[in-house]
Amino acid sequence: RKEVEQDPGPFNVPEGATVAFNCTYSNSASQSFFWYRQDCRKEPKLLMSVYSSGNEDGRFTAQLNRASQYISLLIRDSKLSDSATYLCVVSHGSNYKLTFGKGTLLTVNP
Amino acid sequence: EPEVTQTPSHQVTQMGQEVILRCVPISNHLYFYWYRQILGQKVEFLVSFYNNEISEKSEIFDDQFSVERPDGSNFTLKIRSTKLEDSAMYFCASSRDSYRNEQFFGPGTRLTVL
Repeated sequence: RKEVEQDPGPFNVPEGATVAFNCTYSNSASQSFFWYRQDCRKEPKLLMSVYSSGNEDGRFTAQLNRASQYISLLIRDSKLSDSATYLCVVSHGSNYKLTFGKGTLLTVNP
Repeated sequence: EPEVTQTPSHQVTQMGQEVILRCVPISNHLYFYWYRQILGQKVEFLVSFYNNEISEKSEIFDDQFSVERPDGSNFTLKIRSTKLEDSAMYFCASSRDSYRNEQFFGPGTRLTVL
């Protein structure tokens, strides 16, 4: 089983749509969870950390289910500028390295 | 807003040559990392560095790789004898603390080995 698995995508949605990304992780000892976005040939940029109680930042909502080892990201009212690859990332172990999923490509169309 | 910087943005080298990739982490950060991303693949961890020593390294980080923090600001990755399969984007990252572990990435160095 892969350490971090994401929806393979790609997702093509119209502006204003709501889009959901799903992710599962294999290591139950994982301690920290994140969503990053990556534009083509650019660096990963931290979008938001994911907390056990769930958290929201504007149009973005992240949820964590430790029992199911499942993380989600919801984008509401999507904008053209949301077009990017969304990376599910977990951190575990005392060294705190990040383990990345392959990412899900989102294209928001006018 | 403080950011991680990396130089050069693109490095082309011949197989067998040594390369040094440079990074300046965010100034009040204490934890430093190198990752790489081969074109079309996921981001992979190489090495983490704290308190002037390696905290962990991956299987990719073999004897051909080394890291150094030669002064208070720079963090370097050296590849001693480059191979074709080392061609990738190399990202430096830093984080302020290990508790939240929010890592911020530099723009990357694209390494092309011919």
